[in-house]
Amino acid sequence: DIQMTQSPSSLSASVGDRVTITCRASQSISTYLNWYQQTPGKAPNLLIYAASTLQSGVPSRFSGSGSGTDFTLTISSLQPEDVATYYCQQSYTTPQTFGHGTKVEIK
Amino acid sequence: QVQLVQSGAEVKKPGASMKVSCKASGYTFTGYYMHWVRQAPGQGPEWMGWINPNSGDTKYAQNFQGRVAMTRVTSISTAYMELSRLRADDTAVYYCARGDWRFDYWGQGTLVTVSS
Repeated sequence: DIQMTQSPSSLSASVGDRVTITCRASQSISTYLNWYQQTPGKAPNLLIYAASTLQSGVPSRFSGSGSGTDFTLTISSLQPEDVATYYCQQSYTTPQTFGHGTKVEIK
Repeated sequence: QVQLVQSGAEVKKPGASMKVSCKASGYTFTGYYMHWVRQAPGQGPEWMGWINPNSGDTKYAQNFQGRVAMTRVTSISTAYMELSRLRADDTAVYYCARGDWRFDYWGQGTLVTVSS
């Protein structure tokens, strides 16, 4: 199975800060990488697919980049409503695997 | 609008079986694969498998082979996931999610608690 490693596991930043989350795959997955946002008690919500394509309705402060094994999710200006846990997911092959998540909090 | 509505929470004893339903609306049910994903308390999501609602073809994660069965009834746009021989570590929220290689709509989740 392809292992997905996210870092950091948690972070605290101020409103307006630029936030970057990284995700590394244990083997190349081209751009078959998706990012989800999850708030407590809710289902994950698709933010970015194919590494860098913004899902419809997602604010433009979210962006994704990368290919191969290394990927990043960036929030250009952190907002209070962005408090959540973020997961990367590879869809290159089954089983589709997720990272362990990055919890984002407001300082 | 697209909606996936799942059945309610369940409490099961070890060794029992569970069956969760996922009713789709707002799109052509047979046009998109349906995946099942579970999330244990405090853990990341875990993919369980998919069903092609059009053909009924399925693919399961190795971790669940022999214990899981995914089915569908197209006339009522509903997918089902049955997990048997339940253990305490099957306690989780179970989600259905629409998609092929990205999950763009999710059900609200079904909490299944396995406890003696």
